[in-house]
Amino acid sequence: ILNVEQSPQSLHVQEGDSTNFTCSFPSSNFYALHWYRWETAKSPEALFVMTLNGDEKKKGRISATLNTKEGYSYLYIKGSQPEDSATYLCAYNSGGSNYKLTFGKGTLLTVNP
Amino acid sequence: EAQVTQNPRYLITVTGKKLTVTCSQNMNHEYMSWYRQDPGLGLRQIYYSMNVEVTDKGDVPEGYKVSRKEKRNFPLILESPSPNQTSLYFCASSWDRTGYEQYFGPGTRLTVT
Repeated sequence: ILNVEQSPQSLHVQEGDSTNFTCSFPSSNFYALHWYRWETAKSPEALFVMTLNGDEKKKGRISATLNTKEGYSYLYIKGSQPEDSATYLCAYNSGGSNYKLTFGKGTLLTVNP
Repeated sequence: EAQVTQNPRYLITVTGKKLTVTCSQNMNHEYMSWYRQDPGLGLRQIYYSMNVEVTDKGDVPEGYKVSRKEKRNFPLILESPSPNQTSLYFCASSWDRTGYEQYFGPGTRLTVT
């Protein structure tokens, strides 16, 4: 089983703060890196899928970067709002003959009003 | 409306009683997958399917079976459920292997007593 690590495990911030989390994955082989947002009692929803080293993607106040050579991706949230409170998951696929998607355990973000 | 549906949403059953959780998607996606989510362990892939009649094991396939006779359906079968299969199960689909975002179903909460 491939190792996908997310840090921190949980994070509490105040409304208006900007924050970021990390996803680490094996750098030896790479095909795709996904980010999902998972609210309590709902299903995970896709934020970004990144496939190229140096990719930067943005959706509103949320953005992500990808470094495949060193095996990490950052997710940034600018000006956090209480509705951003959720678990943020990353998932990795190494490509080749491997079609599995391996998820990290997530970062639980709580934004206090 | 583009969606992934799962049934049942909640199920309580007894050890050894065969059950099937259905999954259907209306987006003509080729890739479908089953995950289980357990506290502290994150989302783990059980099985995936690249297309009709093409299925393969994920990271935790023991005790499960799947089939993909039609493109839209990907049922998860537990031939002889055991208490350690008590979990929250998600079905997901995407256009192609893992370079595209996954769309998740609403989840099935299974309890095996």
